[in-house]
Amino acid sequence: NAGVTQTPKFRVLKTGQSMTLLCAQDMNHEYMYWYRQDPGMGLRLIHYSVGEGTTAKGEVPDGYNVSRLKKQNFLLGLESAAPSQTSVYFCASTTDRATEAFFGQGTRLTVV
Amino acid sequence: KNQVEQSPQSLIILEGKNCTLQCNYTVSPFSNLRWYKQDTGRGPVSLTIMTFSENTKSNGRYTATLDADTKQSSLHITASQLSDSASYICVVSDLQETGANNLFFGTGTRLTVIP
Repeated sequence: NAGVTQTPKFRVLKTGQSMTLLCAQDMNHEYMYWYRQDPGMGLRLIHYSVGEGTTAKGEVPDGYNVSRLKKQNFLLGLESAAPSQTSVYFCASTTDRATEAFFGQGTRLTVV
Repeated sequence: KNQVEQSPQSLIILEGKNCTLQCNYTVSPFSNLRWYKQDTGRGPVSLTIMTFSENTKSNGRYTATLDADTKQSSLHITASQLSDSASYICVVSDLQETGANNLFFGTGTRLTVIP
């Protein structure tokens, strides 16, 4: 039982490049989330999904897209990376609204 | 505006000592309050979850309290260990009629335990 797994763990992009971050969970959770964590700020929600095939915008969605084609996977895409997207990205999943969220180990992304 | 504020921002204590971290929130409607521990370079890991009706919950040397009337919570760490050095994040969940609940994160308290 691996929990929540994020790939890759580290990545350096040039401005304008694109990439996809993968989040996989093996707990059969319905809800999945993508957050970014920046120094001096709490985690901020980018996008979330309440089930397979559904996605919704969070607090800071601009510049990102997501897809939830399979229940266990939640993909975060950057179509044209910008230096402002340099951050640590965390994926989380939960079975319902009242239970704890399980987080991945994070992806450190640097855009130069 | 839904906000979660934590204090202090950082704290240094000697190994074996106790400490208390504070969390104040304005999130409404309230669903639950969680404390997470985040080691450097790792994702947050849940310590406790408390709903409106719970005013204390323990997890080993960690004890969380909740006063839903004053919208305050505290995390008390007893007999600190070097491995307690981490950021402690207070997270408050609101209650949505449909879809996923919203989680509001504090900026965390950075605890350093020194020998």
